[in-house]
Amino acid sequence: DAMVIQNPRYQVTQFGKPVTLSCSQTLNHNVMYWYQQKSSQAPKLLFHYYDKDFNNEADTPDNFQSRRPNTSFCFLDIRSPGLGDAAMYLCATSRGVWQGASPLHFGNGTRLTVT
Amino acid sequence: GENVEQHPSTLSVQEGDSAVIKCTYSDSASNYFPWYKQELGKGPQLIIDIRSNVGEKKDQRIAVTLNKTAKHFSLHITETQPEDSAVYFCAASDGNNRLAFGKGNQVVVIP
Repeated sequence: DAMVIQNPRYQVTQFGKPVTLSCSQTLNHNVMYWYQQKSSQAPKLLFHYYDKDFNNEADTPDNFQSRRPNTSFCFLDIRSPGLGDAAMYLCATSRGVWQGASPLHFGNGTRLTVT
Repeated sequence: GENVEQHPSTLSVQEGDSAVIKCTYSDSASNYFPWYKQELGKGPQLIIDIRSNVGEKKDQRIAVTLNKTAKHFSLHITETQPEDSAVYFCAASDGNNRLAFGKGNQVVVIP
């Protein structure tokens, strides 16, 4: 089955220690998104790639970076994690940017713990 | 920007009964309204969506209704089953890449 795969499912990092989360997709979708979801809250968009074009949300902290080396893979880098960055990180894809034509397909997320 | 609100935050129903979750939105330009189901430890999954040119859409036990005048849309689940227990998110989009999500509803189906 075509899908969005996130690794690892659980990640523990130390305060200030850089961490990278990965996402791969077999859907061949143009757009890949990273969302942050804290407990009992809605997913919050951090940024997205349309093909190789990077689009950052205005309120995404500089601490968060992303790379998309090819269509299938996308990485989320947190340069200096703080306690407030502990959350579930969700990767999603869509065929285009208009959600009415191509809904989001989410992975199962990586739960990040910062100690 | 778009603001989406969901009510109630938690809903408990007896197995076999119906569940209704209502969302309101603020931007009259929004034209696409999906519903996502998130089970514990998993990512959200699209379960049904509706566009602004349609008032109602049904898929087996799930239906969504849209009232553009009042700017609200609702998810209806009939004959609820234990596997319907999850968090449900509504969202709204004006056609751009951004979806504005509601805060989610925890639905608990009591066997």
